[in-house]
Amino acid sequence: DTGVSQDPRHKITKRGQNVTFRCDPISEHNRLYWYRQTLGQGPEFLTYFQNEAQLEKSRLLSDRFSAERPKGSFSTLEIQRTEQGDSAMYLCASSSRGNTDTQYFGPGTRLTVL
Amino acid sequence: AQTVTQSQPEMSVQEAETVTLSCTYDTSESDYYLFWYKQPPSRQMILVIRQEAYKQQNATENRFSVNFQKAAKSFSLKISDSQLGDAAMYFCAYRSAMGGSEKLVFGKGMKLTVNP
Repeated sequence: DTGVSQDPRHKITKRGQNVTFRCDPISEHNRLYWYRQTLGQGPEFLTYFQNEAQLEKSRLLSDRFSAERPKGSFSTLEIQRTEQGDSAMYLCASSSRGNTDTQYFGPGTRLTVL
Repeated sequence: AQTVTQSQPEMSVQEAETVTLSCTYDTSESDYYLFWYKQPPSRQMILVIRQEAYKQQNATENRFSVNFQKAAKSFSLKISDSQLGDAAMYFCAYRSAMGGSEKLVFGKGMKLTVNP
């Protein structure tokens, strides 16, 4: 069990570019969550997968954001036409029903939009 | 919608002393989970302790314990024998157990400084 991993750890991009982040959950965790954390704030929920099904999306997830978990293992979060307001830490977490439902977080991807 | 409030943005404590972090929440649900997460300067969120709302007994994990007051919707974290490694941002979080949403709702966090 190596924990939740995220790649890249840092991403700097220019406004208008597309970016994609990857999250690898803890092995055999069937639930995967994405959160966004801006400076000085707590994480805010973006979306959640159970296996490959996307079961919940926040209204924060505008149509420029899309998330996938095609085989029920790793997940990707894509942001199209990035804006400066997208600058934040993007956190991924995973959990397993029957394991007290605790969400275990990855180290995050810090996005800076210039 | 559920909300979580951490009214103290910063606190400090002397090493080896005890400190209590406060958290209140608002919900109309009867079954839920509450969590305290720690986020050290490296920024990886780590679970400190969790409490199931249906349990009357307060959760404890070594030097960490909670005071869960369901009627008052209060969930404070006590850290005993504070250590330098306890310095971090601490976030209180709520999760419904009623089925449906599994999202965590976080407070804004509190920065804990431990003085040697």
